[in-house]
Amino acid sequence: GAGVSQSPSNKVTEKGKDVELRCDPISGHTALYWYRQSLGQGLEFLIYFQGNSAPDKSGLPSDRFSAERTGGSVSTLTIQRTQQEDSAVYLCASRVGGSAPYEQYFGPGTRLTVT
Amino acid sequence: DAKTTQPNSMESNEEEPVHLPCNHSTISGTDYIHWYRQLPSQGPEYVIHGLTSNVNNRMASLAIAEDRKSSTLILHRATLRDAAVYYCILSGSGNTPLVFGKGTRLSVIA
Repeated sequence: GAGVSQSPSNKVTEKGKDVELRCDPISGHTALYWYRQSLGQGLEFLIYFQGNSAPDKSGLPSDRFSAERTGGSVSTLTIQRTQQEDSAVYLCASRVGGSAPYEQYFGPGTRLTVT
Repeated sequence: DAKTTQPNSMESNEEEPVHLPCNHSTISGTDYIHWYRQLPSQGPEYVIHGLTSNVNNRMASLAIAEDRKSSTLILHRATLRDAAVYYCILSGSGNTPLVFGKGTRLSVIA
């Protein structure tokens, strides 16, 4: 079946511009996560959504970052007034909801370059 | 989340078994041990997870120490396609986000 998809795969933007990154999770997965991976670094949690609950935004690095998830499916991560330090690969993951230790399925990521 | 310690890098010959160690001395009784790997230019992918007993699946085996303070991911016959960064992660049940460390970069030599 279809996995997690993300678009665009690559995005180059000028410093100060806003960008939107999209994630299409696996159908039926109620939990959705955003992570980012800077060059040579590990993955850093940003935000996650679980069903209709309020999202956990504890990993967002600044108020320039926001995300929404419409209709419990597609999610958009928005970065306003991009800075060069925002350059990274942004990864989305989804999983079946619930308390069992189900695995997360990751998309291929969006590589963001801020010039 | 409890912390894990892994070697920065390991090397293996193709078609040889590989044992990737992970120390997690502060693991709590409800923490599951998860392994993910990240191939070059791809998102992470799930490998295996366990709680107390050893686990096997089509990709790998997970051997968990009796005191649960360490575990070993076993690839029975390494292939060139297994070259990746392997992450050992502790996570309680539920939807909590994964906390990735630096992982172990596995190189496979033909």
